[in-house]
Amino acid sequence: DAGVIQSPRHEVTEMGQEVTLRCKPISGHDYLFWYRQTMMRGLELLIYFNNNVPIDDSGMPEDRFSAKMPNASFSTLKIQPSEPRDSAVYFCASSPSGTGVTGNTIYFGEGSWLTVV
Amino acid sequence: GEDVEQSLFLSVREGDSSVINCTYTDSSSTYLYWYKQEPGAGLQLLTYIFSNMDMKQDQRLTVLLNKKDKHLSLRIADTQTGDSAIYFCAEEFSGTYKYIFGTGTRLKVLA
Repeated sequence: DAGVIQSPRHEVTEMGQEVTLRCKPISGHDYLFWYRQTMMRGLELLIYFNNNVPIDDSGMPEDRFSAKMPNASFSTLKIQPSEPRDSAVYFCASSPSGTGVTGNTIYFGEGSWLTVV
Repeated sequence: GEDVEQSLFLSVREGDSSVINCTYTDSSSTYLYWYKQEPGAGLQLLTYIFSNMDMKQDQRLTVLLNKKDKHLSLRIADTQTGDSAIYFCAEEFSGTYKYIFGTGTRLKVLA
């Protein structure tokens, strides 16, 4: 089975440019999460969706960040305009609904490593 | 608050046991998890424990849960150099599908 697929894996961009990160969750998973990882702040939940609907976006740092999930197999996280402090690893993750023997295990993608210069 | 706390670093010798500790915040969390992150990679689920359990053993891994103190620990027996990674504990806020991760503990295994 394919896991959570993220693109691009690495991106270097100049301050002020728009950045779009993409994610394809595992087929059949109802939940999709965007996390950001930095040395200073660790792993932060930015936003999560259930059945393509945003449930909690309280972790989105500011209006420069936006996330969409137009369908069950695709989500984007956009930063416009980007700033150097946005440099981080952005992880997408997905999870099936319901509580089985494994709980609501979430499965992470490999991450998108963003550097804003 | 929603802080899940872990110590930042742990160094052990190969063959010794490692114990990584975590303090979580939500006493109603249903499941608590341990994830492993190797350099340059995403997080992978190692193990989990349901909140009505005190202990769970899975091969070299032992998870202990103290609900009263909201304390979770992961013990790795016979630690190997391949266990060197960052270990995250995570709690799922009950009924929300909202996962909060700890700061991560960087485990270094010395040969």
